[in-house]
Amino acid sequence: QSVLTQPPSVSAAPGQKVTISCSGSSSNIGKNFVSWYQQLPGTAPKLVIYDNNKRPSGIPDRFSGSKSATSATLGITGLQTGDEADYYCGTWDSSLSVGGVFGTGTKVTVL
Amino acid sequence: QVQLVQSGAEVKKPGASVKVSCEASGYTFTGYYIHWVRQAPGQGLEWMGWINPKNGGTNYAQNFQGRVSMTRNTSISTAYMELGRLRSDDAAVYYCARATPIPILYGWFDPWGQGTLVTVSS
Repeated sequence: QSVLTQPPSVSAAPGQKVTISCSGSSSNIGKNFVSWYQQLPGTAPKLVIYDNNKRPSGIPDRFSGSKSATSATLGITGLQTGDEADYYCGTWDSSLSVGGVFGTGTKVTVL
Repeated sequence: QVQLVQSGAEVKKPGASVKVSCEASGYTFTGYYIHWVRQAPGQGLEWMGWINPKNGGTNYAQNFQGRVSMTRNTSISTAYMELGRLRSDDAAVYYCARATPIPILYGWFDPWGQGTLVTVSS
């Protein structure tokens, strides 16, 4: 029952760039900050972007985030095999009571 | 370093309850919200709710209200999530995650616990 829509998959060759979109509405992305999480196979999610475009300590600047109106985007440049993972956007939704919401998830494949 | 360590895998029968623990270390436990998120096999992330470890206040997602209870024991820096009346579709990996400093309520999750697999089977 995800309320944020992401493409199921994106792919690119090593060294190339991918972008992942996250589409929401005025009650979630339109009002709140967006964060992004990387989930490597069989592991817990890991924060890679917070407050729309900030990187936590230790996350390389190959990862970037942006937000416009009711959509957000995660970009990964200089793609590496270690970037192959599922990526989820997350934010808060104020439609009924405030609750956390996540995107449908995007599988990044390095060709 | 900041770390959340969760309890081990559980196997439960339909209708039973499960209680998962999340032990925090490397920071002041009462200074940050703890959230719970679950992930069914092959599926995405689903937010369940949060607990304020400082005063025990909670907020649960509508989907879980009446079935979930989040508590904490500050003396051992541990948060708990108990889900009752288990159904087969409650089978999932359950994660705890540290969120923003109290009283900033709506922010990001970092770090996450390693996850606890809950199997529901008769």
